[in-house]
Amino acid sequence: AQKVTQAQTEISVVEKEDVTLDCVYETRDTTYYLFWYKQPPSGELVFLIRRNSFDEQNEISGRYSWNFQKSTSSFNFTITASQVVDSAVYFCALSEETGGANSKLTFGKGITLSVRP
Amino acid sequence: DADVTQTPRNRITKTGKRIMLECSQTKGHDRMYWYRQDPGLGLRLIYYSFDVKDINKGEISDGYSVSRQAQAKFSLSLESAIPNQTALYFCATSDSDRNPFRGYTFGSGTRLTVV
Repeated sequence: AQKVTQAQTEISVVEKEDVTLDCVYETRDTTYYLFWYKQPPSGELVFLIRRNSFDEQNEISGRYSWNFQKSTSSFNFTITASQVVDSAVYFCALSEETGGANSKLTFGKGITLSVRP
Repeated sequence: DADVTQTPRNRITKTGKRIMLECSQTKGHDRMYWYRQDPGLGLRLIYYSFDVKDINKGEISDGYSVSRQAQAKFSLSLESAIPNQTALYFCATSDSDRNPFRGYTFGSGTRLTVV
């Protein structure tokens, strides 16, 4: 069965610090998709990134970067020079390719990030 | 207009009442999902539907039922609400076409409080 573990529950940093949010996943499928979502205090889910299992290139988008390592089944998310607006709950999620029941999205429990001024 | 619309956005109901949460989408996606979010537990799948005639239980379906009235509509019902069902509920959609896979679209959520 697919599983996503976000071992960190709460992280607090001071503005301008870099912070890394960890995500470890389990799957038997060779083809799968990994996601990160941001949930600000307003409650909506904001899509950040989707990565398929065949694309191990790291990605950078502004202050955000993602490190995908199949060897360790990890998909970590780094925020560089954090800002107060980055304060939110961040979810890592996994969807398998095989379709059927496994195509549903499985979430980690989320990491609450607080960025202090 | 939002691609995935959930109504109501907020609801307070009493224990024992029947309540329906509605979800409609304009994405043209065939797959729809209901998730529940509790603090510290992430989002957990309640029910999912891959087409109008296909309904499947997720990991926490007890106390809930669903109806897929049309490809665009997927409703979640609490037959007899209990305080333990107080949570934030999300509807999501996805396309069965995985070439390429474009991911999931989420509604804005329904915050339900059972008193």
